[in-house]
Amino acid sequence: KNEVEQSPQNLTAQEGEFITINCSYSVGISALHWLQQHPGGGIVSLFMLSSGKKKHGRLIATINIQEKHSSLHITASHPRDSAVYICAVPETSGSRLTFGEGTQLTVNP
Amino acid sequence: DGGITQSPKYLFRKEGQNVTLSCEQNLNHDAMYWYRQDPGQGLRLIYYSQIVNDFQKGDIAEGYSVSREKKESFPLTVTSAQKNPTAFYLCASSMGSGRAFYNEQFFGPGTRLTVL
Repeated sequence: KNEVEQSPQNLTAQEGEFITINCSYSVGISALHWLQQHPGGGIVSLFMLSSGKKKHGRLIATINIQEKHSSLHITASHPRDSAVYICAVPETSGSRLTFGEGTQLTVNP
Repeated sequence: DGGITQSPKYLFRKEGQNVTLSCEQNLNHDAMYWYRQDPGQGLRLIYYSQIVNDFQKGDIAEGYSVSREKKESFPLTVTSAQKNPTAFYLCASSMGSGRAFYNEQFFGPGTRLTVL
C-alpha cells in the first residue's frame, strides 16, 4: 500500500506570500492528484500530473517521480486560497487512491 | 453546464432507517465513485463503478449498497447495518474505465448525513 505524507499539516500565511505544500509517497506511481477542499466541503481537482510541472493561474504543481515527491506552490496568495489541500496517488493495482491527510492553509489579509 | 449533482445537501435520518443518496453526472464519464469523510479525516472509498452494471467494493463498503443501472447515475444506499453513518458523503466521476484512478476525478458538492 502506498503511504502518502503531506507537510505541513497546517500553514498560516499573510496575503501575498509564496506558499509551498509538499507531498511524498512510498511507492512509485505514474500520476498524482492535487485536490482543494473548501470550508463548505466541496472538492475541486486542481492538477493531475505524471511528470514535470503544470501551471494554472497562480497555482503550480511539480513532481519528481524518481524522488517520489510533489510540491504545490501558490504565488501571491490570497484569503480565498484558504482551504485544505490534498494530494492523492493511485495504488499500484490501480484500484483506488491513497489520500494524504491534507494541509490546512489559512491566508490572512 | 456539465457537472456532478448530489442531493440532498443535508439529510437527517432516524436510526434504523435506510436512506439513499443521489449522484448524477452529465459529463459522459464511465467511472463513478463514492467517498466518505469524517471530521478531521481524509477521504475513504466506499464503492466505485467503472462501467454500467458493474461496481466494486472500496475500503469501507460494509453497511452500504450501490447500483449502476445508467451511466449518469450512481446512487448510494446507507443501510441500517452501517454502524456510524453520520458523515459527509462525496460522489465523484472520471473518464475511462480500466485504470480509472489514473484519471482526473470530478467531485460533487457532497451530502451531509446525520443520524438522529
